[in-house]
Amino acid sequence: AQSVTQPDIHITVSEGASLELRCNYSYGATPYLFWYVQSPGQGLQLLLKYFSGDTLVQGIKGFEAEFKRSQSSFNLRKPSVHWSDAAEYFCAVGARAGGTSYGKLTFGQGTILTVHP
Amino acid sequence: DSGVTQTPKHLITATGQRVTLRCSPRSGDLSVYWYQQSLDQGLQFLIQYYNGEERAKGNILERFSAQQFPDLHSELNLSSLELGDSALYFCASGWPQGIAGELFFGEGSRLTVL
Repeated sequence: AQSVTQPDIHITVSEGASLELRCNYSYGATPYLFWYVQSPGQGLQLLLKYFSGDTLVQGIKGFEAEFKRSQSSFNLRKPSVHWSDAAEYFCAVGARAGGTSYGKLTFGQGTILTVHP
Repeated sequence: DSGVTQTPKHLITATGQRVTLRCSPRSGDLSVYWYQQSLDQGLQFLIQYYNGEERAKGNILERFSAQQFPDLHSELNLSSLELGDSALYFCASGWPQGIAGELFFGEGSRLTVL
């Protein structure tokens, strides 16, 4: 069964500082990988996704993530954080073709990001 | 705007009652997913429908049921409600033209059971 671990429940950074949110997944093959962001009272918005190809993927709002197969990781990064980035971030893994789990996403527990001015 | 519409946005009801949550997927998406988000359980997958048929089941209680209609909208029925059912229920859609990809989430229906 697929699973996702986000080791950091809460991260605090200063505005302008760099950010890295960790994500480790468990899946039998190369999965689909996603990062979503949830602002208070809102639904989840897709930041970026990895399906195949270049392991460094660019997303919206200046975010990027790197897929590292050897480490089963898909960490999210941003070089300079803005106050508006304060939100909860979810990493998710999706199954590839075949089986009843195709298309379903499994989410990590989320990381809450606080940005100090 | 994700294109996924959920109603109602907020719902307050009493234990033992039954409620129905409704979801309209993005135009062209064939699959609908229901997730429950609570403080202690996080985002839990409940159930998936694809083009009207149940595709996958997750941690969905027997008191809960769902269906997807011919026009592809979906309803999640929650019955014999308990205090612990209070949560944010998300609907997501995906699989345009049958191609798997990312999911698009609605803004959720917040259920409070008193």
